[in-house]
Amino acid sequence: GAVVSQHPSRVICKSGTSVKIECRSLDFQATTMFWYRQFPKKSLMLMATSNEGSKATYEQGVEKDKFLINHASLTLSTLTVTSAHPEDSSFYICSARVLAEPEQFFGPGTRLTVL
Amino acid sequence: AQSVTQLDSQVPVFEEAPVELRCNYSSSVSVYLFWYVQYPNQGLQLLLKYLSGSTLVKGINGFEAEFNKSQTSFHLRKPSVHISDTAEYFCAVSPMNTGFQKLVFGTGTRLLVSP
Repeated sequence: GAVVSQHPSRVICKSGTSVKIECRSLDFQATTMFWYRQFPKKSLMLMATSNEGSKATYEQGVEKDKFLINHASLTLSTLTVTSAHPEDSSFYICSARVLAEPEQFFGPGTRLTVL
Repeated sequence: AQSVTQLDSQVPVFEEAPVELRCNYSSSVSVYLFWYVQYPNQGLQLLLKYLSGSTLVKGINGFEAEFNKSQTSFHLRKPSVHISDTAEYFCAVSPMNTGFQKLVFGTGTRLLVSP
């Protein structure tokens, strides 16, 4: 199956700093990438959808100035958490899909801890 | 709008016993249905999907699910579980009118298999 990687797998940062998370499709070109946030014992919450070369579409309630998404190529999307605060601590998961295919392929996730 | 309900937050079962994980959904439009599995600190892996055709769908690792349109359900079953099946299982729906661009997840069911 298609492989999606995320880097880093785990990051700890101080409050007020920015953190960048990378999501790569390793063996296919992803027309669309998705960013999810998962709280402990909760479901995945879609944060935004990004198509290569265009601006991301954010879900209601997600601050676009805080969670910056860039989808510069068909194999790479980045999520930057700006001025992170402890309440931003969470498990962030990306997924990717190919146009007209139903399946989303998920990355292994990034655990963000803000002190 | 769509919603997915997984009534059981946790299902304990003994090894080699059968198991059923329940999923019900609500949607004003027709949907595609998915089951994903998440092992600890990992991303999601697709178990099976229903797009059309036979309502009984077989997936990986011996799992199967049956789509029941009248009851708006998509329960996941396995006739004999293994210790390695211990994981979090998520049911998800994708509205047919979104071109697979949207996945709505349930809150997950933790399957605990003990010897």
